[in-house]
Amino acid sequence: DGGITQSPKYLFRKEGQNVTLSCEQNLNHDAMYWYRQDPGQGLRLIYYSQIVNDFQKGDIAEGYSVSREKKESFPLTVTSAQKNPTAFYLCASSIQESQPQHFGDGTRLSIL
Amino acid sequence: QKEVEQDPGPLSVPEGAIVSLNCTYSNSAFQYFMWYRQYSRKGPELLMYTYSSGNKEDGRFTAQVDKSSKYISLFIRDSQPSDSATYLCAMDSSYKLIFGSGTRLLVRP
Repeated sequence: DGGITQSPKYLFRKEGQNVTLSCEQNLNHDAMYWYRQDPGQGLRLIYYSQIVNDFQKGDIAEGYSVSREKKESFPLTVTSAQKNPTAFYLCASSIQESQPQHFGDGTRLSIL
Repeated sequence: QKEVEQDPGPLSVPEGAIVSLNCTYSNSAFQYFMWYRQYSRKGPELLMYTYSSGNKEDGRFTAQVDKSSKYISLFIRDSQPSDSATYLCAMDSSYKLIFGSGTRLLVRP
């Protein structure tokens, strides 16, 4: 089955620690995205990538980093610089920009 | 003012009711309009995708776009308890989608 796999489902971060969220897709999509979802605020774009080895900042990129070394993979690192990391993180992909995006089932990150 | 406004609800209806969910937007450049359904602790699932003004029907779901009023709607006929979820509208903005904050729907048996 084609789809987007995010792991882990739940993640806990200690103070001062960097953590990496995994996102893999087998839909052969060029574009991939990371969103943060907080209660009552909808989805906010963190980073996006339209092709391999290229990515751009979204609306709330501070404290986050990404890489896009393979078409299928777009990992997100939440760094210690992100002071309020507790949220639900969603990865998405689309055939190309501005086309419907397909989402994974998210990773819930909490602070210990 | 947000680019996309959506009533957060919750909206509670009895089983079998017709549900109307709405979004308004301010950017007349938006061309593509989407509706997503999100169950608790899951990712959003694409329900409807429309391009032009008018109606698009898929089973019990109808998406309506009125570009002149900058208003989109999603109608659910014969609503079921399994339709209980949060519904998000989304619109394209060149390189990204702009999402509404979502309307929580509860269909009571």
